[in-house]
Amino acid sequence: GAVVSQHPSWVICKSGTSVKIECRSLDFQATTMFWYRQFPKQSLMLMATSNEGSKATYEQGVEKDKFLINHASLTLSTLTVTSAHPEDSSFYICSANLILLAGGVDTQYFGPGTRLTVL
Amino acid sequence: GQNIDQPTEMTATEGAIVQINCTYQTSGFNGLFWYQQHAGEAPTFLSYNVLDGLEEKGRFSSFLSRSKGYSYLLLKELQMKDSASYLCAVNSGGYNKLIFGAGTRLAVHP
Repeated sequence: GAVVSQHPSWVICKSGTSVKIECRSLDFQATTMFWYRQFPKQSLMLMATSNEGSKATYEQGVEKDKFLINHASLTLSTLTVTSAHPEDSSFYICSANLILLAGGVDTQYFGPGTRLTVL
Repeated sequence: GQNIDQPTEMTATEGAIVQINCTYQTSGFNGLFWYQQHAGEAPTFLSYNVLDGLEEKGRFSSFLSRSKGYSYLLLKELQMKDSASYLCAVNSGGYNKLIFGAGTRLAVHP
């Protein structure tokens, strides 16, 4: 259980184009999903919190008009990188919250990540 | 501010025991999590602690002291496949956001 998928797993695009990344919780419903980016040999940096049916909450310094997040259903959140530039090249990872039955603690389960390369 | 510290790198021998420490200072606390991440892959959940004490899961154990803002992950009977980064993360409350440490890269040698 607690499987999260991401699509695509990797993408190469030209500068100025937009790229959409999908994050799906396959065997559970997630009212909350998170989007991270990770540069080589660095830790995960939270970009935004995606809540089903409402606007995403962005972390300080993350441009909401550049990184569009849509959480249209309880199993799907999308991140669109608009007008991508080479500095947007990174590893993008989503996670979905699942409440563990034991202890009732929310636990984040991660998707396999999407490697974006902008030429 | 929010701060989570863990060693950058550690090395250990196959079959040995290694302890990875994590100290944290966060505005809120709703649990501490350990994740394993192999290069180029997403993190996988290992364990969590909400109350003080030791949680054991097979070869992995995690300890928490909330008063000291301290946790450790203990890996026993190390295997080569345990070579990975280990991320300490704190749930600081509010939408259950996780704040991640920079990760500890563990290299297991024969």
